[in-house]
This record gives sequence, C-alpha cells and structure tokens, in this order.
Amino acid sequence: AQTVTQSQPEMSVQEAETVTLSCTYDTSESDYYLFWYKQPPSRQMILVIRQEAYKQQNATENRFSVNFQKAAKSFSLKISDSQLGDAAMYFCAYTRNQGGSEKLVFGKGMKLTVNP
Amino acid sequence: NAGVMQNPRHLVRRRGQEARLRCSPMKGHSHVYWYRQLPEEGLKFMVYLQKENIIDESGMPKERFSAEFPKEGPSILRIQQVVRGDSAAYFCASSRLTVSEQYFGPGTRLTVT
Repeated sequence: AQTVTQSQPEMSVQEAETVTLSCTYDTSESDYYLFWYKQPPSRQMILVIRQEAYKQQNATENRFSVNFQKAAKSFSLKISDSQLGDAAMYFCAYTRNQGGSEKLVFGKGMKLTVNP
Repeated sequence: NAGVMQNPRHLVRRRGQEARLRCSPMKGHSHVYWYRQLPEEGLKFMVYLQKENIIDESGMPKERFSAEFPKEGPSILRIQQVVRGDSAAYFCASSRLTVSEQYFGPGTRLTVT
C-alpha cells in the first residue's frame, strides 16, 4: 500500500523568507502524481502544486516550487518570499496514474506559521 | 464555473440519528470522491463514485455508511445511527475522467452529541 509521510508536524518562518516543507512517500508504482494541498483556517482544501512522476523537471507555481527526488521518494515544497496568507496546514498527497481518476493518499499534514 | 458544492456546511446529530451529506461536483466532472478528516489528522479516502456506480469503497466502514451518486442530483454520503466517533469533517472532491486533479468542496463538519 502507498504511504505518505510528513515528519515535521509544525514549522514557522519569518515573513518574506523561504521555507521548505518535507514529504516522503512509498510506492511500488512507476507512474504517479504528487500534490501539495493547503488548508487554511477556513478548512477549504486548495491545490498548491502538482508533479507528474515521469517528468524530471520540478514543478513551479509562482512562489511555490518542488524538489522531486524520485529515487529517494522525496517531494519537498519550497515557499519563497513567505506571506502571512501562507499560514495554513499543508498536506502532501499521492495518487497513482492508471489512466483515470484515482484516490488520493494524504500525509498527516504540517502546520506552517508565518511570523510578521 | 461554480466549484464543488457541499451542504450542509455544519450538521449536528444526536447519537443514533442519521446524517445525510450532499455533494454537487463541478460542472463537467463525472467522478466524485469522499474523504474524512478527523481532528489533527490528514484526509482519509472513503469512497469513489461515478454516476450510478461505486468504483472503490475500500475506505468505507463496513457498517452504517453508504454512498450514492445517482444519474440526476448530488452525491449523498449517508451515515446511519451516528456515534460520537463519526464526528469529523467530510470532504467531497470531483474530477474529470482523465485528469488527476481533484477539486475539493468546503467540507461538512459533522458533530455528534
């Protein structure tokens, strides 16, 4: 069974600085997707970034970028120029690619605090 | 294009009552997923449905829980004879056929008293 591990339950960062959130996963599949979701106090799950396992290039979305290490099964999220609105729970998630929709497997999450 | 809709947003039930949670997927999405989030936990998969079909219910408790996605109308997650341990946030997500992104609704927070 696939598992996703977020070993740091909490982190904090100063506004405008950079923070990296770590995630590791375990799977025997070769083709899959990885995601980072953000859950602010409103509890809405918001997709931050997506990475396809067959792509070597790391995904980027504005201030958000990932470091995808397939051999190490590591998928970290870097937030640059942190803003107060980045404060939230962040969840790493995995789904295999079977040519159709598949269930997401989530990590336990990490609480990010942004200090002004 | 409206997002995934869930209602009610908050639901309070006494032990032994039934809870019905509704989810309307995004327009053009034919796949619906239900997830449960217990306090201080990540989301756990419960069930995956397409119109009139349950595709994967491997995460559903064996008793009291059922789900449907009829040809017309929203998807329903039904919990019979609720217990305190059912208190959680229940999220619905939807996706297109061949696209992997799942878009989430705002969730229904169920409280069992």
